[in-house]
Amino acid sequence: DVKVTQSSRYLVKRTGEKVFLECVQDMDHENMFWYRQDPGLGLRLIYFSYDVKMKEKGDIPEGYSVSREKKERFSLILESASTNQTSMYLCASSSREWGTEAFFGQGTRLTVV
Amino acid sequence: GEDVEQSLFLSVREGDSSVINCTYTDSSSTYLYWYKQEPGAGLQLLTYIFSNMDMKQDQRLTVLLNKKDKHLSLRIADTQTGDSAIYFCAERTGANNLFFGTGTRLTVIP
Repeated sequence: DVKVTQSSRYLVKRTGEKVFLECVQDMDHENMFWYRQDPGLGLRLIYFSYDVKMKEKGDIPEGYSVSREKKERFSLILESASTNQTSMYLCASSSREWGTEAFFGQGTRLTVV
Repeated sequence: GEDVEQSLFLSVREGDSSVINCTYTDSSSTYLYWYKQEPGAGLQLLTYIFSNMDMKQDQRLTVLLNKKDKHLSLRIADTQTGDSAIYFCAERTGANNLFFGTGTRLTVIP
């Protein structure tokens, strides 16, 4: 059974804290993605990675960074959390082959107070 | 990113058909997907269609693609309360890029 696992379902952090969201996949996928989901805005791509140590900015990278030191793990970092980063964060992975689907984790609901 | 648009809400009565619509802008899209998100969960792939197809049917689901108008629809026949969820369309324009719509919240009224 394929799996994308996000380390936390719910997180509450204080403004200014450094926050790490972890994602692990067990499918040997090359591509990994971090999305942010907000009501009425759908899924917006923050960053994606197509290989170890490789990353590309998505549509809304400001205030975020990422790390991919191993193929199976993709971390999203909020350098200094702010209240406007309160959201649902979804990690996904996919093979590089054309047409293959992306598999999603359960999501992390982050609240910044 | 690319523009993928959906209406935000749809309500139908149990047993009726639901039609969820999506428009996209990138004519080089190769694959188009429908994902379902149940409350508190991640997204799960429902079905997909390759851009050289007009229609795909899978049990209660029918996907129609009008490539000229860049319009994609998902029809759910005999809609059940368990179909209540948010439905996202997504387009893939390259090996790595996957763009999602805003999502349509389907509410099924018993």
